[in-house]
Amino acid sequence: TQLLEQSPQFLSIQEGENLTVYCNSSSVFSSLQWYRQEPGEGPVLLVTVVTGGEVKKLKRLTFQFGDARKDSSLHITAAQPGDTGLYLCAGAIRTGGGNKLTFGTGTQLKVEL
Amino acid sequence: NAGVTQTPKFRILKIGQSMTLQCTQDMNHNYMYWYRQDPGMGLKLIYYSVGAGITDKGEVPNGYNVSRSTTEDFPLRLELAAPSQTSVYFCASSYSPGLAGGTYEQYFGPGTRLTVT
Repeated sequence: TQLLEQSPQFLSIQEGENLTVYCNSSSVFSSLQWYRQEPGEGPVLLVTVVTGGEVKKLKRLTFQFGDARKDSSLHITAAQPGDTGLYLCAGAIRTGGGNKLTFGTGTQLKVEL
Repeated sequence: NAGVTQTPKFRILKIGQSMTLQCTQDMNHNYMYWYRQDPGMGLKLIYYSVGAGITDKGEVPNGYNVSRSTTEDFPLRLELAAPSQTSVYFCASSYSPGLAGGTYEQYFGPGTRLTVT
């Protein structure tokens, strides 16, 4: 079983601060996805990174896939209350059963005014 | 476009009771998945299906059963509910990964919150 460790588990910051969430594993993944989940809803995909060293930007969010494709980070610049939610990384292993995902334990982010 | 729908939204079961969690998607996705999410534990894959008539076990299949008679529906059955099955259950679907590889987005339903007492 592949294990994905996310850190920190909880993060409470003020509006305007920057933050970084880490996702680490000893396993190599074919790709890695980041999801955001709001209370009472299912996760929604933010981004998929595929190539080692790849960096993708989504407005104030920057995602990076490690060179060895074992780890990833999510950096948020100038956080806003609307960024509040549970952030989940998910490593993908290609099998005959499709894109099976192993999810990290999540980072609960709260951005206060 | 409804996406992935799940029913019921909430359910309380007594130990030993049975129930079926319903999941339907209208995106014509081949792949469908069932996950459970426990507090602080992320999502764990229970069962998945690559098409009608084909299902396979995920990481935590014990105590559950699935069937896939149509592309749209992927119900999850709990036969003898146990307190350890108290969790939030999510159904998801996706397109098939292309021959060149890559990973397609999984679309999640809103979840079913199940309590077994």
